Amino acid sequence: GESVGLHLPTLSVQEGDNSIINCAYSNSASDYFIWYKQESGKGPQFIIDIRSNMDKRQGQRVTVLLNKTVKHLSLQIAATQPGDSAVYFCAEQDNYGQNFVFGPGTRLSVLP
Amino acid sequence: DAGITQSPRHKVTETGTPVTLRCHQTENHRYMYWYRQDPGHGLRLIHYSYGVKDTDKGEVSDGYSVSRSKTEDFLLTLESATSSQTSVYFCAILGQFGSPLHFGNGTRLTVT
Repeated sequence: GESVGLHLPTLSVQEGDNSIINCAYSNSASDYFIWYKQESGKGPQFIIDIRSNMDKRQGQRVTVLLNKTVKHLSLQIAATQPGDSAVYFCAEQDNYGQNFVFGPGTRLSVLP
Repeated sequence: DAGITQSPRHKVTETGTPVTLRCHQTENHRYMYWYRQDPGHGLRLIHYSYGVKDTDKGEVSDGYSVSRSKTEDFLLTLESATSSQTSVYFCAILGQFGSPLHFGNGTRLTVT
């Protein structure tokens, strides 16, 4: 079956440092992946996505890396700021294209 | 918030009572989803809709029903609420395959 998971449930980083959040997936046929940020009391917010024909995609201060060989996805946040403190989770689009599988999330804490 | 409104935002109800949660979108998207979010489980799909009057079950559909009589509204009903249905419920919409889900800000439901 399909599954999406995260290696680290919590991550603490110093303000200004780079953060890396990891995700493993099991369905080698998946071709679309998304990272979400969720702040307390709010719904998940789209950050960045990547398709399986790419191995890297950059946004503003964020980069997503996809390693299809080992079925691994990571989110890199450059110069982490206090406003980046949140739960981050990855999502994988299923084979049919209309449903998604979500990981449990990693809580990122930014230390002053 | 991608034009998604969930109501109510908070609700406390007693075991055995019916409860209806509403999701309203202004994007005219075809696909709408109901998820529940619980600690340690991440987001789990309850039901989804792929058009007016077209719905299907997700992985945790027992005890829930849905209706979609208009493109913009997707209702989630707990026919007889139980304490195990205490959770945060999120509605999401999808514009097209290969694009991200966009979420509302959730409804926190407590069943006493």
